[in-house]
Amino acid sequence: SAVISQKPSRDICQRGTSLTIQCQVDSQVTMMFWYRQQPGQSLTLIATANQGSEATYESGFVIDKFPISRPNLTFSTLTVSNMSPEDSSIYLCSVRRDLAGGYEQFFGPGTRLTVL
Amino acid sequence: DAKTTQPPSMDCAEGRAANLPCNHSTISGNEYVYWYRQIHSQGPQYIIHGLKNNETNEMASLIITEDRKSSTLILPHATLRDTAVYYCIVRVRVTGRRALTFGSGTRLQVQP
Repeated sequence: SAVISQKPSRDICQRGTSLTIQCQVDSQVTMMFWYRQQPGQSLTLIATANQGSEATYESGFVIDKFPISRPNLTFSTLTVSNMSPEDSSIYLCSVRRDLAGGYEQFFGPGTRLTVL
Repeated sequence: DAKTTQPPSMDCAEGRAANLPCNHSTISGNEYVYWYRQIHSQGPQYIIHGLKNNETNEMASLIITEDRKSSTLILPHATLRDTAVYYCIVRVRVTGRRALTFGSGTRLQVQP
């Protein structure tokens, strides 16, 4: 498996501010992803964090709102910009590790964000 | 990836087997069946996966029908700590850059 840590684990923020979430993996991985889980909902993929290039965003998510960095193969950040109460969610980092015959995907513990 | 259908919720008595069904009638030959679970306020946790043979590990058993159009995840002796949302996901194992996509899953409540 992969050991994934996220910081902060939770935060309460004011409307209009921004929060940067960090994701650290214990070893190099081929791909990193960011998901959002709104209250009572399933997980929704925000974007794929690409090492050394711009992230690839899913429909409905844009770089200005969710800028992502991935400076190396073990670290990524997601920023939630100009927050509103609708951004209150759990944000999850996920990584893909290549294994013999395929790959597996693992998830971090999540960052619980509340926007007032 | 093939679409899956799961019941929204199930109950199970502690110590009994929990049998969670999943329909995936449009599964193709190179797609695997994966199960993850998400305990409240935690990230999803991998449980088990299979292609066509039944699989067992320390957490659960996976039974896939012969036509592969449905499967059942079995927790042989459910405990209160197994209360979680269980996701059945069908996907190609060796693929490009796509991440897992999650449906709504089955919310399993283990009763004391």
